[in-house]
Amino acid sequence: NAGVMQNPRHLVRRRGQEARLRCSPMKGHSHVYWYRQLPEEGLKFMVYLQKENIIDESGMPKERFSAEFPKEGPSILRIQQVVRGDSAAYFCASSPTSHGDIQYFGAGTRLSVL
Amino acid sequence: AQSVTQLDSQVPVFEEAPVELRCNYSSSVSVYLFWYVQYPNQGLQLLLKYLSGSTLVKGINGFEAEFNKSQTSFHLRKPSVHISDTAEYFCAVSDLEYGNKLVFGAGTILRVKS
Repeated sequence: NAGVMQNPRHLVRRRGQEARLRCSPMKGHSHVYWYRQLPEEGLKFMVYLQKENIIDESGMPKERFSAEFPKEGPSILRIQQVVRGDSAAYFCASSPTSHGDIQYFGAGTRLSVL
Repeated sequence: AQSVTQLDSQVPVFEEAPVELRCNYSSSVSVYLFWYVQYPNQGLQLLLKYLSGSTLVKGINGFEAEFNKSQTSFHLRKPSVHISDTAEYFCAVSDLEYGNKLVFGAGTILRVKS
């Protein structure tokens, strides 16, 4: 049973470009979470999704950031018009059920904005 | 709002010595508590969790933690550390009021010296 798969592992973008980060949850998991880790900081919650639904996006910046988890395929975190401050490690986690269940983390995507 | 405080940003310790990494949380309702470990350039791996029941929780790699409700603490301990335990450790909390998202502390870097 493969773990949570994130790709790419490293992504370099120039200011103003778009970044697309992908996350395939563990088999049988229908709950996906995205977290951001800025340098020298802990992880900060961004968004929680179930298949085709955004459940909690309280941690998402109001502009330029969006997330989806379609019926088929991976979850996508999309950042439009990236700025240097978006440089961070973005982690995806998945769980089989809701509240209280363990979240399993992927290896992360490290975004560098030049 | 929930918050997690990890009191030490770095903890240096000699190999085979005991170690305690401190974690305090604030929440007004019942909580679930977790410790994760992050090795360089990797994702987070669950060490242990407290959901309910016994306040002493045993995890992987010889780690254990004790839930203390009156002191709102969940300190992580290991009686004898190894060089391979060098990593960053994150305490996290989730509760019914704020749904599934994990709120993380800023992390503690454990440096084991020979």
